[in-house]
Amino acid sequence: GAGVSQSPSNKVTEKGKDVELRCDPISGHTALYWYRQSLGQGLEFLIYFQGNSAPDKSGLPSDRFSAERTGGSVSTLTIQRTQQEDSAVYLCASSSTTNQFLSYEQYFGPGTRLTVT
Amino acid sequence: AQSVTQLDSHVSVSEGTPVLLRCNYSSSYSPSLFWYVQHPNKGLQLLLKYTSAATLVKGINGFEAEFKKSETSFHLTKPSAHMSDAAEYFCVVSGNTGNQFYFGTGTSLTVIP
Repeated sequence: GAGVSQSPSNKVTEKGKDVELRCDPISGHTALYWYRQSLGQGLEFLIYFQGNSAPDKSGLPSDRFSAERTGGSVSTLTIQRTQQEDSAVYLCASSSTTNQFLSYEQYFGPGTRLTVT
Repeated sequence: AQSVTQLDSHVSVSEGTPVLLRCNYSSSYSPSLFWYVQHPNKGLQLLLKYTSAATLVKGINGFEAEFKKSETSFHLTKPSAHMSDAAEYFCVVSGNTGNQFYFGTGTSLTVIP
């Protein structure tokens, strides 16, 4: 079946512009995660959705970052007034569910490579 | 707080020799632990996971990992490296609510023919 897809695969933008990154999770997956992967770094957790709500936004690095999820499916990560330090690969993952006591496997998309010039 | 330390940023092995990728974690409770692999220009793929069942976990492609609570370690091993194993490997620990995950900085595995 179809995996997690992300678009665009690459995005080059000028400093100060806004960007939107899209994630299509696996159909039926209720949990959705956004991560950022900077060069030479591990994955940095940004935000997590359960259905359409985001119980954990603790990883968003600043108020320029926001995300939403509609219909329990597609999610959009928006970065306003982009800065050069926002350059990274943004990864989306989904999982079938989530539970306080059990961690379920995450399925990752291929990522969006964002370059801010 | 939870955290993960991958002790080697780069590991190089010859084809056919054993692989050892080291991971230590810090957690105030019994965590779930994962290893993911990322091949160039590909998404991350789950190799294996530990969720408080058997301490020796077998994964895909011949990899396995052993959870050692006394050493707070979850090292990844494979008896014989293949060229196709060359990739970036990430050790991951779950947060205390099960819905947050902490990634190590990764270990780049090179396999020499």
